[in-house]
Amino acid sequence: DAKTTQPNSMESNEEEPVHLPCNHSTISGTDYIHWYRQLPSQGPEYVIHGLTSNVNNRMASLAIAEDRKSSTLILHRATLRDAAVYYCILGTSNTGKLIFGQGTTLQVKP
Amino acid sequence: SAVISQKPSRDICQRGTSLTIQCQVDSQVTMMFWYRQQPGQSLTLIATANQGSEATYESGFVIDKFPISRPNLTFSTLTVSNMSPEDSSIYLCSGAAGGPLDTQYFGPGTRLTVL
Repeated sequence: DAKTTQPNSMESNEEEPVHLPCNHSTISGTDYIHWYRQLPSQGPEYVIHGLTSNVNNRMASLAIAEDRKSSTLILHRATLRDAAVYYCILGTSNTGKLIFGQGTTLQVKP
Repeated sequence: SAVISQKPSRDICQRGTSLTIQCQVDSQVTMMFWYRQQPGQSLTLIATANQGSEATYESGFVIDKFPISRPNLTFSTLTVSNMSPEDSSIYLCSGAAGGPLDTQYFGPGTRLTVL
């Protein structure tokens, strides 16, 4: 399974944008890029996913590099509720398996 | 979307015993998975629960230690057998309604402590 690399932790101020980077230099052509987050004492929840083009939804935006070797999750206005561990995961289109890395712990300061 | 519940939410068990964790989904899901999350760590995939057939285990996990059942499209169980303190973890199940690219919904987890 292809591996992702994320910073261990990041800090943000409330109501400011947050850019969470992810490197996945060994990504294959059929790997999708998924982002999940885990709030304290909860199971992970889906944030966004994409293949090649940038994606937007009500929670976040996903910017994918042209060579697909990196991506960035963008939270447009961080709130205190966004404090969580964010996982960047590569998933294949045939198994559905999610192989979690260590993720980035995001702290949001008021 | 799918809402997933797990029972029990937490338990404290003696070494050498077994615990069965139940995972119930409020709608039919095609795929179900079981994960383990050790304290302060990320999630590790244990197995894919296949409906009507044997589960598919990841490297390092075996059926004798973690037997899994999935009798239908809304329910699965994971048993942690012959427990030792090293099995103390949070165990989570997840489900995806559509195909492999569909969103996975996670249960709240079962916090297991083995003494």
